[in-house]
Amino acid sequence: EADIYQTPRYLVIGTGKKITLECSQTMGHDKMYWYQQDPGMELHLIHYSYGVNSTEKGDLSSESTVSRIRTEHFPLTLESARPSHTSQYLCASSPRPDRLGGYTGELFFGEGSRLTVL
Amino acid sequence: KNQVEQSPQSLIILEGKNCTLQCNYTVSPFSNLRWYKQDTGRGPVSLTIMTFSENTKSNGRYTATLDADTKQSSLHITASQLSDSASYICVVSDRGSTLGRLYFGRGTQLTVWP
Repeated sequence: EADIYQTPRYLVIGTGKKITLECSQTMGHDKMYWYQQDPGMELHLIHYSYGVNSTEKGDLSSESTVSRIRTEHFPLTLESARPSHTSQYLCASSPRPDRLGGYTGELFFGEGSRLTVL
Repeated sequence: KNQVEQSPQSLIILEGKNCTLQCNYTVSPFSNLRWYKQDTGRGPVSLTIMTFSENTKSNGRYTATLDADTKQSSLHITASQLSDSASYICVVSDRGSTLGRLYFGRGTQLTVWP
C-alpha cells in the first residue's frame, strides 16, 4: 500500500463554492502530481511539483491552483467551482532518480477525490 | 504524435479463464512501459514495468510482454479471479531528462464473472 492520502474521497458542492482537495504523502517523495480522470478516458496531468516551492502546470489546462509549502503536502484549490469541474482528481508522487541516474517512472497514487459540482 | 492505444476497450470473461490485453504505442524515444491496475473508486497501482531490453516479465498470475520493434505490449492474466475485475492502464515513458514524460492509455475495463 502506498502512503499517500487524499481527502475528501467524495465531495458534492454547489456552483461558485471554493474547494480544496488535500493530498499528503509520507514517503518523502520530491515529485508530486495532480491528474484529472473522467470515465473511459486517460488520465490528464493538470499540475506537478518538483519539490518545495515548485509548481508547474500540466498538459491539461485547469482553472485550479496548487501549492507546495511542505514536501509531504500538495493541495489543489478551485476558487469558484463550476459543473465543468466535475471529475475524479488523483494525486500521485514519485521518488527521485536513483544514484545511477535511472528512473523507473513509478507513480504512487492516492485513492482519488470524486468532485461533483451541481 | 506520441500516443498509447489499448484494446479491447472492455472485456468480460468467466472466472478461471485466461485473457490478454493489448497496448500499442508510438512514443519515441522509449524509456519504459508500465501496466497499472485500477480498481473501481481507487487509484492505479503498478503491476509491472518493461524496459527496452526486456521481453517478458511475470508478477504472479500477470505476465507482461514487450516487443520494442513493433512497439507493442501485452498483459496476460492467467486463471482469472473475481478480484481481477478492474481497469488496466498502459503507461509509456519517453526518455526525458530528470523525469520522462508519461503517456497514458485509456485503459481496458476487465470484468470477471463467477
